Amino acid sequence: QQPVQSPQAVILREGEDAVINCSSSKALYSVHWYRQKHGEAPVFLMILLKGGEQKGHEKISASFNEKKQQSSLYLTASQLSYSGTYFCGGGGTSYGKLTFGQGTILTVHP
Amino acid sequence: DTAVSQTPKYLVTQMGNDKSIKCEQNLGHDTMYWYKQDSKKFLKIMFSYNNKELIINETVPNRFSPKSPDKAHLNLHINSLELGDSAVYFCASSQNQQTYEQYFGPGTRLTVT
Repeated sequence: QQPVQSPQAVILREGEDAVINCSSSKALYSVHWYRQKHGEAPVFLMILLKGGEQKGHEKISASFNEKKQQSSLYLTASQLSYSGTYFCGGGGTSYGKLTFGQGTILTVHP
Repeated sequence: DTAVSQTPKYLVTQMGNDKSIKCEQNLGHDTMYWYKQDSKKFLKIMFSYNNKELIINETVPNRFSPKSPDKAHLNLHINSLELGDSAVYFCASSQNQQTYEQYFGPGTRLTVT
C-alpha cells in the first residue's frame, strides 16, 4: 500500500514556509523524499532511516516519527526553484524497493 | 556527462506493436530499476536488477520483459502494447541494493494509439 501525502497541493509566495506530510499504514524502515519538476525526472532530496539517521545533500530538513510511521518535509524560506511535485517513498525490508506516495504539488510565486 | 540515459525520449506506437526502451548508466552502480509513472503522476516500481540479477519483480503483466546484458544497461521490452501502457517510464540506478539514493533517467514518454 502506498504512503499517503498531505496536502495534495500548496501554493506559496517566495520566502514562505511549507510542510509536506507523509503517512504510511505499514511499517517503514526508511522514508525518502524526491522532487520532480514538470517534464523532468525525480531528484533525490533526503533519506531518513529508522533510528534517526538522516542523509541528504540539499538544505532541506525532515523528520521521521517511527512510532506513527509518519514523516514531514520542511521547506523554509521557499524559493521559486522549490516548485515541483514532492514525493515521499517508503522503504520496506527489501532494500532499494520504494513505494511512493501520490505526490504533493508545490508552487512558489514571486 | 549524462549519468542515467534512456532512449528513446518519446515513443508513439499503435496497439499490438512490440517496442523496447533502453537504459544506460555510467555511474558504476550495481542496481538498476524501471518505474512507470501514469497520467496521475503515480510513480510505481516495476523491476529491479542487481548485478544483472532480477531482484524486484512487481505485479506487472508478463508482456513486460526486462533484460540486463550487463550491470550498466537495463532494457525494457513490451509486447502487444495496450492503451493502458501509455505512461512515462523511468529508469533509475543506485550504488547497490543497500544504498537508498536513486538516480533517475530523463524518462521515456510512451503513447499507445
